Amino acid sequence: QSALTQPASVSGSPGQSVTISCTGTSSDIGAYNYVSWHQQHPGKAPKLIIYAVSNRPSGVSNRFSGSKSGNTASLTISGLQAEDDANYYCSSYTRSSTWVFGGGTKLTVL
Amino acid sequence: QVQLQQSGPGLVKPSQTLSLTCAISGDSVSSNSAAWNWVRQSPSRGLEWLGRAYYRSKWYHDYALSLKSRITINPDTSKNQFSLQLDSVTPEDTALYYCVRETSPDGGFDYWGQGTLVTVSS
Repeated sequence: QSALTQPASVSGSPGQSVTISCTGTSSDIGAYNYVSWHQQHPGKAPKLIIYAVSNRPSGVSNRFSGSKSGNTASLTISGLQAEDDANYYCSSYTRSSTWVFGGGTKLTVL
Repeated sequence: QVQLQQSGPGLVKPSQTLSLTCAISGDSVSSNSAAWNWVRQSPSRGLEWLGRAYYRSKWYHDYALSLKSRITINPDTSKNQFSLQLDSVTPEDTALYYCVRETSPDGGFDYWGQGTLVTVSS
């Protein structure tokens, strides 16, 4: 199972919006609405911020939103804040009953 | 509040077996709405899903295809914990290992252990 494809890095200024893409195949992202996004700060465990494509866990800011079209999922962060500076990983369930992660995207808040 | 507490050695010799345990509090390893996963992270491989165990009237296991011949994930209902066993390790298995709860079927990986850095070296 190949990793999902994410851009290595994105950046934005405070207050702006950024979108991170996550591209898979018809055997993973395209097959199910089981796409999640995680935020990871250095030295910390990943934190779930989006599940089932577009759902936010309790306590996660509504500045984070998710969507999916075909084999590509997207995470949009609006109203960028300094604390959003982190690594972001997508994940998807697959037809093989396994999970696969993306390679990760480093978001830099300028 | 769910908490996952990992334990196990941080150094394993090549060709030996890596063994880690994850103790669960605030949930049950036999829950019908959760699955218990192991994920590892390294600079070269990023986040890599290793496998899971879950109970739905009986126990089920799913493993990453690349590791299927070397990996075992075992639940222990008496201690409310689950374990990872990875056989015949090489330096490529050096990574930060996490135990993770997955809320099924679509809840994602919502609780993570603190992580255990395992180095494979002689």
